[in-house]
Amino acid sequence: NAGVTQTPKFQVLKTGQSMTLQCAQDMNHEYMSWYRQDPGMGLRLIHYSVGAGITDQGEVPNGYNVSRSTTEDFPLRLLSAAPSQTSVYFCASGTVSTDTQYFGPGTRLTVL
Amino acid sequence: AQSVSQHNHHVILSEAASLELGCNYSYGGTVNLFWYVQYPGQHLQLLLKYFSGDPLVKGIKGFEAEFIKSKFSFNLRKPSVQWSDTAEYFCAVNAHGFQKLVFGTGTRLLVSP
Repeated sequence: NAGVTQTPKFQVLKTGQSMTLQCAQDMNHEYMSWYRQDPGMGLRLIHYSVGAGITDQGEVPNGYNVSRSTTEDFPLRLLSAAPSQTSVYFCASGTVSTDTQYFGPGTRLTVL
Repeated sequence: AQSVSQHNHHVILSEAASLELGCNYSYGGTVNLFWYVQYPGQHLQLLLKYFSGDPLVKGIKGFEAEFIKSKFSFNLRKPSVQWSDTAEYFCAVNAHGFQKLVFGTGTRLLVSP
């Protein structure tokens, strides 16, 4: 099992550009989520999904879109990047039965 | 709404010293509690978790945590730290049956050799 994988590892964008952060898991987990990590603020939930076709907003959803067309993939889209979105982004997955999440390696995004 | 407080933002210890990191949460219902560790440049790894039963839980690498329901606390402990324990430690909580995790702001631990 590869676990939770994220691409790219690093990305630099200019303000206004769009991009998609990829997240995939091969553990057949129902639950997937995206967090952003900022210094002194811990991790904050952006969006989450409890299964294919079902998504919902977390604590800080503005400026981000998600979709879940398959169990394995949960991409995060930035429609028009802003400097405030400079952060490290983590994807996580888990099963409802265990209530435990496992994290990917992260994507470090810089918006200039 | 759930919230998690980690009162120690930075901790500096010498090797072999004992460690205790505080974590308090606020939530009216039944919760699951977690400690995650993030080594420099790496992703979060699960150290230990508490769902129910014995309030003293043991995790990997010699860490343990005690759930004290009356104090809404879940403090992390290790009797003797090593240089390799230098990392950031996050306490997190979710409600039973719900995956959404709420994290504390983290504690940076530096262990000097």
